[in-house]
Amino acid sequence: GAVVSQHPSRVICKSGTSVKIECRSLDFQATTMFWYRQFPKQSLMLMATSNEGSKATYEQGVEKDKFLINHASLTLSTLTVTSAHPEDSSFYICSARSRDYNQPQHFGDGTRLSIL
Amino acid sequence: AQRVTQPEKLLSVFKGAPVELKCNYSYSGSPELFWYVQYSRQRLQLLLRHISRESIKGFTADLNKGETSFHLKKPFAQEEDSAMYYCALSVGTYKYIFGTGTRLKVLA
Repeated sequence: GAVVSQHPSRVICKSGTSVKIECRSLDFQATTMFWYRQFPKQSLMLMATSNEGSKATYEQGVEKDKFLINHASLTLSTLTVTSAHPEDSSFYICSARSRDYNQPQHFGDGTRLSIL
Repeated sequence: AQRVTQPEKLLSVFKGAPVELKCNYSYSGSPELFWYVQYSRQRLQLLLRHISRESIKGFTADLNKGETSFHLKKPFAQEEDSAMYYCALSVGTYKYIFGTGTRLKVLA
């Protein structure tokens, strides 16, 4: 149980393109979803926290107009990287957590984004 | 300040040797700590959480509030334990702060 699916797994696109990444909880209701960014050989950095039906809370230094997050349902959150540039190239990982506070976060496989 | 420190980037041990992956934290509240593991080309998976006080795949971790540590231990390392290990601290609205990770290499 507790599977989180992230799609696509890999994106390569031109500079200036907007890219949407989906994160779905397959067998539980994710009241809270998290988006992380991971640079090569570095740790996961939390970008934002989103609760279903409300605006995302962004971490300091993360541009909310650049990284649009939507959490419209209890099983789906999306991250859109708007007008992506090469410096946005990274590994993006989502995780999800249910209303049961005893349950930990469950992670997706991640999306490798490469901007040319 | 809220912080998780994993001082070793890489830890190499021989098969059958004991393993200890260090994790120290800084948090003014009551800590909730986790160990996540990431095997090659796989997603992060929960390995342990301190409130469970269980042993998974032979690994254990004890929360030491006096030393603000949550070290991960295994008495006899196996080759399949080779992976990236992250210590995480749950703060505030259940968000996690991750350590920088330790790559464990178990040598044959």
